[in-house]
Amino acid sequence: AQSVTQPDIHITVSEGASLELRCNYSYGATPYLFWYVQSPGQGLQLLLKYFSGDTLVQGIKGFEAEFKRSQSSFNLRKPSVHWSDAAEYFCAVGAQTGGFKTIFGAGTRLFVKA
Amino acid sequence: GAVVSQHPSWVICKSGTSVKIECRSLDFQATTMFWYRQFPKQSLMLMATSNEGSKATYEQGVEKDKFLINHASLTLSTLTVTSAHPEDSSFYICSARKTADTQYFGPGTRLTVL
Repeated sequence: AQSVTQPDIHITVSEGASLELRCNYSYGATPYLFWYVQSPGQGLQLLLKYFSGDTLVQGIKGFEAEFKRSQSSFNLRKPSVHWSDAAEYFCAVGAQTGGFKTIFGAGTRLFVKA
Repeated sequence: GAVVSQHPSWVICKSGTSVKIECRSLDFQATTMFWYRQFPKQSLMLMATSNEGSKATYEQGVEKDKFLINHASLTLSTLTVTSAHPEDSSFYICSARKTADTQYFGPGTRLTVL
């Protein structure tokens, strides 16, 4: 069975600073990997996804993530954080079997300080 | 992107009553939908996979007689919380799978059981 670990419960960065959110996964085969963002009162929005190809994936809102098979990681990065990026971020892994169900990590709450 | 709606967005009910939550894919057909439960400041926990025209597949520990799922059409899945109790109070989120690796999430339904 697949699993996801987001080791940081919350992170605080200054506006304009760079950001990296960590994600480690466990899955026997090549996983589908996702990053979602959840803002208060809103549904989950997909930032980016990876299955194959270039291990550096570009997403929306200036986010990118890098898949590192050797480290079982899929960390999310942004070079310059904006105050509007404050939200909850979830890393998720999808399995190709079982109806392609998706398992989510515990989430990382991002705080942005002025 | 595709749109998934949920109705109602919030509901308050008395203990012992049943509550039905609808999940609709508005602009695409979804043979598979997923139901998640999210506790405050926690991650999304997959409850079940809803398959159009067949029985839902429940995750371990989820009571199928408590959480009834019906996926009667390619655009509608319903979750009925039967004989609700205060511990069932939570945020319920559905998603609809559009392609093998893409699912779209509804905005969620806040259930409060008094």
